[in-house]
Amino acid sequence: RKEVEQDPGPFNVPEGATVAFNCTYSNSASQSFFWYRQDCRKEPKLLMSVYSSGNEDGRFTAQLNRASQYISLLIRDSKLSDSATYLCVVSMDSSYKLIFGSGTRLLVRP
Amino acid sequence: EPEVTQTPSHQVTQMGQEVILRCVPISNHLYFYWYRQILGQKVEFLVSFYNNEISEKSEIFDDQFSVERPDGSNFTLKIRSTKLEDSAMYFCASRVLGGTKNYGYTFGSGTRLTVV
Repeated sequence: RKEVEQDPGPFNVPEGATVAFNCTYSNSASQSFFWYRQDCRKEPKLLMSVYSSGNEDGRFTAQLNRASQYISLLIRDSKLSDSATYLCVVSMDSSYKLIFGSGTRLLVRP
Repeated sequence: EPEVTQTPSHQVTQMGQEVILRCVPISNHLYFYWYRQILGQKVEFLVSFYNNEISEKSEIFDDQFSVERPDGSNFTLKIRSTKLEDSAMYFCASRVLGGTKNYGYTFGSGTRLTVV
């Protein structure tokens, strides 16, 4: 079983749409969770950390369900500039190494 | 905003040659990392480095790989005898001690290594 699993997509949505990405992780000892964004051939960039209580940053909302080992990202009012690959990332605080999912590709069309 | 700088941005090398990828981490960061991403695949952890020694390495990081912090500012990844399957984007990252938000990770823009 993969450590972090994501639907590869692509998700092709019109501008203004709401889109949701899901992610599952296999190691129940994982302690920290993140969503990163990666543009083509660029470095991963932190989008947001994910907290157990759920958290929001503008148009982006992240949720964590530790019991189900499930993480989600909701993007509201999609912009053309949101087109990218979204990476689900988990880590353990004892190690600090980041374990990446393969990413979900989002294409926002005009 | 402080950056992690990687050079070169693109390196082409012949199979069997040695290659050194260079990184200049952020000056007050104490933890250093190399990750790689084969085209179309996920980002994978290679090695972490702290206090002038390797703190953790993955199965990928075999005897062909080594890391060094030769002069207190640069952090290098050496691949001793490159193979075709080493072709990938290599990302350096550094982290501040006790970072909170995403552990304080900052990634460099990467070196694209092409082995021919």
